[in-house]
Amino acid sequence: ILNVEQSPQSLHVQEGDSTNFTCSFPSSNFYALHWYRWETAKSPEALFVMTLNGDEKKKGRISATLNTKEGYSYLYIKGSQPEDSATYLCAFRNAGNMLTFGGGTRLMVKP
Amino acid sequence: DAGVIQSPRHEVTEMGQEVTLRCKPISGHNSLFWYRQTMMRGLELLIYFNNNVPIDDSGMPEDRFSAKMPNASFSTLKIQPSEPRDSAVYFCASSLGGFNTEAFFGQGTRLTVV
Repeated sequence: ILNVEQSPQSLHVQEGDSTNFTCSFPSSNFYALHWYRWETAKSPEALFVMTLNGDEKKKGRISATLNTKEGYSYLYIKGSQPEDSATYLCAFRNAGNMLTFGGGTRLMVKP
Repeated sequence: DAGVIQSPRHEVTEMGQEVTLRCKPISGHNSLFWYRQTMMRGLELLIYFNNNVPIDDSGMPEDRFSAKMPNASFSTLKIQPSEPRDSAVYFCASSLGGFNTEAFFGQGTRLTVV
């Protein structure tokens, strides 16, 4: 079983705050790193898929970076809004196509 | 495409009964994953298939669990006999096999074993 870890487990921020969380993954046998957004009572939905060391992706106020050599990725949310409240999952995809998820970071944005 | 379709959405069964969860992946996707969501372990990978072939089932908790993918458009996850500790939400996801492709999730099956 591959070790994909996310921190923090949960985070409470005020509306307007910027925040970031971390995903660490094995640096060997790397294929891709995924970020998903998971709202309560729904299914996870992909935000980003990153494959190259140094990749940076952005979608609106959310962005992510990737360091495959040291095995970590950061997800940033600028100017958090209540609708950003969700669990953010990262997933490591190895060359064998196995997709292993971390435990997630639960974000709550207070108005 | 309707997305990944799982059935049933909810299942309540008695301990000892056989339970079969079903998944229809997105047409054209050649990778299929079964996950179990629990409070303790989050999204736990049970088994995954590439081109209908099981590649890694090391996440299947016990011999009571089995999964099949008889063709590209259908997969089942079976628990026999079921136990109360199997109660969880089971998700199926599919993706294209390429290195930069995301996984698409079904709505999940909430299983309760009483």
